[in-house]
Amino acid sequence: GIQVEQSPPDLILQEGANSTLRCNFSDSVNNLQWFHQNPWGQLINLFYIPSGTKQNGRLSATTVATERYSLLYISSSQTTDSGVYFCALSFYTGFQKLVFGTGTRLLVSP
Amino acid sequence: DGGITQSPKYLFRKEGQNVTLSCEQNLNHDAMYWYRQDPGQGLRLIYYSQIVNDFQKGDIAEGYSVSREKKESFPLTVTSAQKNPTAFYLCASSADSAGANVLTFGAGSRLTVL
Repeated sequence: GIQVEQSPPDLILQEGANSTLRCNFSDSVNNLQWFHQNPWGQLINLFYIPSGTKQNGRLSATTVATERYSLLYISSSQTTDSGVYFCALSFYTGFQKLVFGTGTRLLVSP
Repeated sequence: DGGITQSPKYLFRKEGQNVTLSCEQNLNHDAMYWYRQDPGQGLRLIYYSQIVNDFQKGDIAEGYSVSREKKESFPLTVTSAQKNPTAFYLCASSADSAGANVLTFGAGSRLTVL
């Protein structure tokens, strides 16, 4: 099955700093999503990005499908960015079963 | 506002008891999913349903059961056969289960077995 590795596992930042989170995957995929899980457990979809680059405010994501990795950029981090960031991938076999990585835990301190 | 409602938020259960977690969505989504999350880990798929009256096992279905009698509802029962049921349970839905199925998640239910 698909293997998903995220790095770094933990990250501590000062407010205002920038960061890059990485997601490596083992096979061709046609569905890649980034999620943010807040400290209360709520998961929010950030990007659907099987290839290319997208931006949403201070966040942007790039997926290079041919090299099997995706990057999530956080600029000018805020304390509300704290939580766990997951990438999730699937390949289509009649059903899009998402496989989640183990996440990057981010703490942004004031 | 459209969304997914999970209840209860917190649940305590004695060993040997079955418990049912509720998941209701008003997004008119066809597909619904149940995931389990253990501390420090990613999400693992328990069951999914692509359409009413149909559901399929995910990667860790043993000890769990579901039903999909209505489009908006997908309850999960954690049975006494589940060896290690203490976990955070997340319900999700998507417009369909193929193509660009962007998932929307509920707020989760935290189950603790005493």
